[in-house]
Amino acid sequence: DAGITQSPRYKITETGRQVTLMCHQTWSHSYMFWYRQDLGHGLRLIYYSAAADITDKGEVPDGYVVSRSKTENFPLTLESATRSQTSVYFCASSTVTGELFFGEGSRLTVL
Amino acid sequence: DAKTTQPPSMDCAEGRAANLPCNHSTISGNEYVYWYRQIHSQGPQYIIHGLKNNETNEMASLIITEDRKSSTLILPHATLRDTAVYYCIVRVYSGAGSYQLTFGKGTKLSVIP
Repeated sequence: DAGITQSPRYKITETGRQVTLMCHQTWSHSYMFWYRQDLGHGLRLIYYSAAADITDKGEVPDGYVVSRSKTENFPLTLESATRSQTSVYFCASSTVTGELFFGEGSRLTVL
Repeated sequence: DAKTTQPPSMDCAEGRAANLPCNHSTISGNEYVYWYRQIHSQGPQYIIHGLKNNETNEMASLIITEDRKSSTLILPHATLRDTAVYYCIVRVYSGAGSYQLTFGKGTKLSVIP
């Protein structure tokens, strides 16, 4: 089915471990984004990408790494997870007109 | 960067129009205004966007003031399913054809039976 999918949907990990959240879209949208949402807060932009091999930092990039070798995939890696990175992570893609299409979210708990 | 200001919460009676305001006084001439909503813990959903003119689609209407410093999202006949957090966002160009959409805390709309 066409759309945007995130995996895993739920993840529990320990402090210091590396975690990768996957994001895959089937629309061939140029733009992709990663946001995090903490309880009681709005969404904060972590990283975004205008095209394959082009990525830029958002508001809160520290502690995260992204790559975009293929248009359809935009993985987000926490190189050494910390408790403060416990959050819900949303991936989104959009066309040039700016309509974002979000995934269902990945809920990450760092113990 | 253009930023937006929204009331933290609003109530609306079921069947009535919901009018959600947004201030974006520092918006630049080529920056669009977007509205999204987030129902419970789902991913946000696109509603509508505009530059200067008023816009309408099957979900809502967007009224932008002539000076573009504020806008109002109108849900013409609110239903219980419209209970959500509504985000007003200004799309900011980051250069080299790239742009950001920065979400604030939004307005929590409660539709009351």
